[in-house]
Order: sequence, then C-alpha cells, then structure tokens
Amino acid sequence: EAGVVQSPRYKIIEKKQPVAFWCNPISGHNTLYWYLQNLGQGPELLIRYENEEAVDDSQLPKDRFSAERLKGVDSTLKIQPAELGDSAVYLCASSLDGNTDTQYFGPGTRLTVL
Amino acid sequence: GQQLNQSPQSMFIQEGEDVSMNCTSSSIFNTWLWYKQDPGEGPVLLIALYKAGELTSNGRLTAQFGITRKDSFLNISASIPSDVGIYFCAGANTGNQFYFGTGTSLTVIP
Repeated sequence: EAGVVQSPRYKIIEKKQPVAFWCNPISGHNTLYWYLQNLGQGPELLIRYENEEAVDDSQLPKDRFSAERLKGVDSTLKIQPAELGDSAVYLCASSLDGNTDTQYFGPGTRLTVL
Repeated sequence: GQQLNQSPQSMFIQEGEDVSMNCTSSSIFNTWLWYKQDPGEGPVLLIALYKAGELTSNGRLTAQFGITRKDSFLNISASIPSDVGIYFCAGANTGNQFYFGTGTSLTVIP
C-alpha cells in the first residue's frame, strides 16, 4: 500500500514568489494534516482537515498561507508571497479519522526561499 | 504553537549501550507518542501510550506514560547503528491536537 505522497520533494524560490505543495494521503484516510518543521525543531501543525473541512487552522498564517482539500482526498498548501522565514520542511500526514492518533507522515517538501 | 521539551538534545553513544530520553510538558495530555525521523524523511511512529503509568514495549524500545500525564520516557536497549536519527515525542489532548517535542538527536558509534 502506498504511503503519503508529497511533491515536490525540494523547491527553491526567490522571496515574494508564490509556491504550492501537494499531498496525497493514504487511501481511505479521512484526516489530513499539514505541518511546518523548522531546522532542529519538531513539526508544528498548520492545518487539519476532516474530509474536505478544515477543522483546525488556528496556526495557519492566513495572510499568506492557504490550503484546500476540495474533494476530501488530496490537498494543496500554498504560500503567496513567500518570505525568507518560510524556508522549512512542510510535512503532510494522514490518519484514518480524527479519533485515531496514528498519523502517517509523508517525506516532506523542503522549501528554500532566497 | 506549543512545543514539548525533550532532553537530552543530542546523544553520542557506543553501539550496544542503552539509551534514555524524556519529554516534559506544562500541559496534561491524554496520549503520548514517540516518533523517529531519518534525514529527508517524515517521522515514523514507534510507540503510542494511552494511559497514565502505562509501560509499552516495541522490540528494544520501551516507553512510559508519566503518572502526572505531563511527561514520558523512551528507552532503547542495546543500541545498534540503525537507531541513529532524531526521536520526537508528541502529546495529544482531547481535541486531538498534536504537539511535538524539540527532538533528541541520537548518534551511535560502531
């Protein structure tokens, strides 16, 4: 069974440019998470989806970050415009539902903003 | 967001030695989780704990849910080179919100 798929794996952009990350969760998993991981730190939740509904986006900087999961399957996280401080690894994870604690993580997208 | 405190921050040990690391929080959690992250990969779940005082093993790994519900411990016995990586704890509350620790970097010297 395929795990959580993320693309691209690496992205280098100049500041003020837009960027988008894509995530396809494990088949059948209703809950999808986007995390931000800075170097030397643990993941920090940005947004959590239950199917197509964002149930927790309190940590998402909404002035420049947006996310969608239109059909309740794959998801896109966007930054527009990117800033130098956005350089980090963006992790996607999924779980069967919101009541289970077993999250499966993708390999992440490493973003570098120049 | 909240981050849990892990210690030590890094460890350098000889192959075959036992390892202990812990995680503390100012908040109470209902679930404690331990993950391992290899370079360039996402974290992989090692052990999940659901009850205060619970002691759970997974092979050479043993983790405990602290009785105060504000801490957890992970022990690795007889370390091997493939144990190298960064270990993260995570706590989850009733709202199913997950908070991760700052990580413990483990280096095993053959």
